[in-house]
Amino acid sequence: QSVLTQPPSVSAAPGQKVTISCSGSTSNIGNYFVSWYQQLPGTAPKLLIYDNNKRPSGIPDRFSGSKSGTSATLGITGLQTGDEADYYCGTWDSSLSAYVFGTGTKVTIL
Amino acid sequence: EVQVLESGGGLVQPGGSLRLSCVASGFTFRNYAMTWVRQAPGKGLEWVSVISNNGGSTYYADSVKGRFTISRDNSKNTLYLQMNSLRVEDTAVYYCANFPRSGLAGLYFDNWGQGTLVTVSS
Repeated sequence: QSVLTQPPSVSAAPGQKVTISCSGSTSNIGNYFVSWYQQLPGTAPKLLIYDNNKRPSGIPDRFSGSKSGTSATLGITGLQTGDEADYYCGTWDSSLSAYVFGTGTKVTIL
Repeated sequence: EVQVLESGGGLVQPGGSLRLSCVASGFTFRNYAMTWVRQAPGKGLEWVSVISNNGGSTYYADSVKGRFTISRDNSKNTLYLQMNSLRVEDTAVYYCANFPRSGLAGLYFDNWGQGTLVTVSS
């Protein structure tokens, strides 16, 4: 059971926007940077967001990250069929002395 | 081009051992922390272990502590994961990934390999 909670699934039509929440505590999100990963079906995960809200080169600005208190949010605007994937948040947890991933969210394009 | 390539996976009986390798290229390996992450079939991502750039700091998930050992050889640009006392629940695809900082503060995983499958079964 992960210490970071995400909704199991979100869905929206092409061109619309979705947000994915990641809820934690003061031992993780509250005091550490959050990163987000995209995993397309049958492929390795890919870094989308690091340090709460920074995008690696090559990641379009349709993807954005934010953090407030013990929660973080990934936003995806202008949804495309290619965005259909599983998304995971992650951060360090000082109580566990371990990196933790969220439970994962499946994004479905309607 | 940055690449990390895992190898060493396979079928092993419960209680057995396996050593995974991850060969890196396209970046200055000795300046990067490295990590292992696994994914059981149909399940989410599970972080396994991390090692700092010089090998001086290592951390493990509770699920593997005392059984797995992470190490690196900076002269060979290679990361290792020695897995002992393997259990059925260790069955997963194991990924290696890099973190573009020497220490572990602000940890995240930048470049990922394609993974190597470890199956623990009798």
